[in-house]
Amino acid sequence: DTAVSQTPKYLVTQMGNDKSIKCEQNLGHDTMYWYKQDSKKFLKIMFSYNNKELIINETVPNRFSPKSPDKAHLNLHINSLELGDSAVYFCASSPDLGTEQYFGPGTRLTVT
Amino acid sequence: GDSVTQMEGPVTLSEEAFLTINCTYTATGYPSLFWYVQYPGEGLQLLLKATKADDKGSNKGFEATYRKETTSFHLEKGSVQVSDSAVYFCALSWAGKFYFGSGTKLNVKP
Repeated sequence: DTAVSQTPKYLVTQMGNDKSIKCEQNLGHDTMYWYKQDSKKFLKIMFSYNNKELIINETVPNRFSPKSPDKAHLNLHINSLELGDSAVYFCASSPDLGTEQYFGPGTRLTVT
Repeated sequence: GDSVTQMEGPVTLSEEAFLTINCTYTATGYPSLFWYVQYPGEGLQLLLKATKADDKGSNKGFEATYRKETTSFHLEKGSVQVSDSAVYFCALSWAGKFYFGSGTKLNVKP
């Protein structure tokens, strides 16, 4: 069984479009995260949810909006996609804030 | 603020060579420390961790010791394999927050 899953694995779209990435964890964790990884492998935390409440909202454009329908799911919606949004997006979960995180396989977003 | 600094890569080694990837941290309290590994095309996987000073984390032949006096958590392996080629991330957690280093790419040649 996959612990943290993301869909889709690859996403190619044009500038200006709106897209969503879905994440699900079956580990029973209370906390979920979204990260952006650039081409140099640098990881930037975007959002953190603890028990469905937003805990961290780092300085990301408001075109990005996370939504957590329940503790097991954290989706990422992106409006008006830009070239600079091209990256790999990782979902992760942890038992609680600050504990070890478990990562999904990533979604490679390419904006053309 | 809290942060993690790790050596820049890439690190290129021959198979069976000894590996050290340096990691130092800055923290206002007593963090837990982690090493994660990212194989090509995959997500990050927890490799090992240590929760207090002098603890040694180990897994798959990799080791790291939590050194409070030098604020370090260097990753070591006695004999690397081609299959160890990946990006390695040092990380710390404290006060409910998690901080990753910038990653170090390891290339192991046969």
